[in-house]
Amino acid sequence: EDKVVQSPLSLVVHEGDTVTLNCSYEVTNFRSLLWYKQEKKAPTFLFMLTSSGIEKKSGRLSSILDKKELFSILNITATQTGDSAVYLCAVEGLASKLTFGTGTRLQVTL
Amino acid sequence: DAGVIQSPRHEVTEMGQEVTLRCKPISGHDYLFWYRQTMMRGLELLIYFNNNVPIDDSGMPEDRFSAKMPNASFSTLKIQPSEPRDSAVYFCASSPRGGIHEAFFGQGTRLTVV
Repeated sequence: EDKVVQSPLSLVVHEGDTVTLNCSYEVTNFRSLLWYKQEKKAPTFLFMLTSSGIEKKSGRLSSILDKKELFSILNITATQTGDSAVYLCAVEGLASKLTFGTGTRLQVTL
Repeated sequence: DAGVIQSPRHEVTEMGQEVTLRCKPISGHDYLFWYRQTMMRGLELLIYFNNNVPIDDSGMPEDRFSAKMPNASFSTLKIQPSEPRDSAVYFCASSPRGGIHEAFFGQGTRLTVV
């Protein structure tokens, strides 16, 4: 059974801090790892990672994958209150099946 | 395109009643997914379809749950009879061929079974 574990479960930081969110996985026939941001409603796509060691970057967010150690990290620099959300990690396995972690709840305070 | 459309947005029902959740995927998307989200278990895949055919329903909790996709533009998830432990947010998502990273989620249906 495919499995995704995220840590920490929740995090409170001050605006301007840098945070690192972790995702480890076990999956049969790994195809990709995806990060989503979920605010009040539906998850929105952030990154898809397929190759080890290649950083994906979008503004203050970046992510990297280690396929040997089976984990990924999501970094957010200079956090803002608008970054407060649940961040979900998912892995795509056989036949495009996505398995999600339970998420990391990030709260950014002033 | 209006995106993935789910209805109803909220549903409150009594234990034992039948509940039907509806989803209209984005036109042209070949994959449709039903997920359930709870605080305890996070986002869980229940079932997904490719070209209207169910591919993997191993996530469906038990026989009380059933899903259909009679055509490319409509899917239902039915719970009969409903139980309080079914209370959750149910998401539908659709994705174009080969583009799982392009899975767009609907706004979800918040189900409360009392």
